Amino acid sequence: AQSVTQPDIHITVSEGASLELRCNYSYGATPYLFWYVQSPGQGLQLLLKYFSGDTLVQGIKGFEAEFKRSQSSFNLRKPSVHWSDAAEYFCAVGPGGTASKLTFGTGTRLQVTL
Amino acid sequence: NAGVTQTPKFQVLKTGQSMTLQCAQDMNHEYMSWYRQDPGMGLRLIHYSVGAGITDQGEVPNGYNVSRSTTEDFPLRLLSAAPSQTSVYFCASSYQTGGENNEQFFGPGTRLTVL
Repeated sequence: AQSVTQPDIHITVSEGASLELRCNYSYGATPYLFWYVQSPGQGLQLLLKYFSGDTLVQGIKGFEAEFKRSQSSFNLRKPSVHWSDAAEYFCAVGPGGTASKLTFGTGTRLQVTL
Repeated sequence: NAGVTQTPKFQVLKTGQSMTLQCAQDMNHEYMSWYRQDPGMGLRLIHYSVGAGITDQGEVPNGYNVSRSTTEDFPLRLLSAAPSQTSVYFCASSYQTGGENNEQFFGPGTRLTVL
């Protein structure tokens, strides 16, 4: 069975500082990996996704993530955080071949201080 | 395109009452699913469907029923609501086939409180 672990429940960074959110997955084959962002009271917005190929993927809002098969990780990064990035971030894994039946991590809440 | 729509946005029920959460999509997606979101637990899959007439259980199906009579609609039914079903419910849809352009689109959510 697939699973996702987001070890950090809550992270606080200063505006302008760099950010890395951790995600570890468990899946027997090549997974489809996703990062979603959820602002308070809102639905989920896709930031980026990995299906195959280049292990460094670029997303919206200046985010990127790197797939490391040897570490079963898919960490999300941003070089310089903006106050508007404060939200909850979810990593998800899907069975190879589709974007359906996603398994989500428990989320990381990002707080940005000015 | 309206994308994925859900109604109602908010609902308060009493224990034992029944209700249906509506979900519709206009993207001709084969796959539709329902998730519930609880604090500290992320999103968990309740039920999903790979096409009209085909449904299956996800991780937390107990207490919920679904049916899929059309490609566009995928309602979620609570037959006898319990306080443990207090949650935020999200509907999502995607194409069933793979490919780099495939992704799940989420509705805005329904916040349900069961007293």
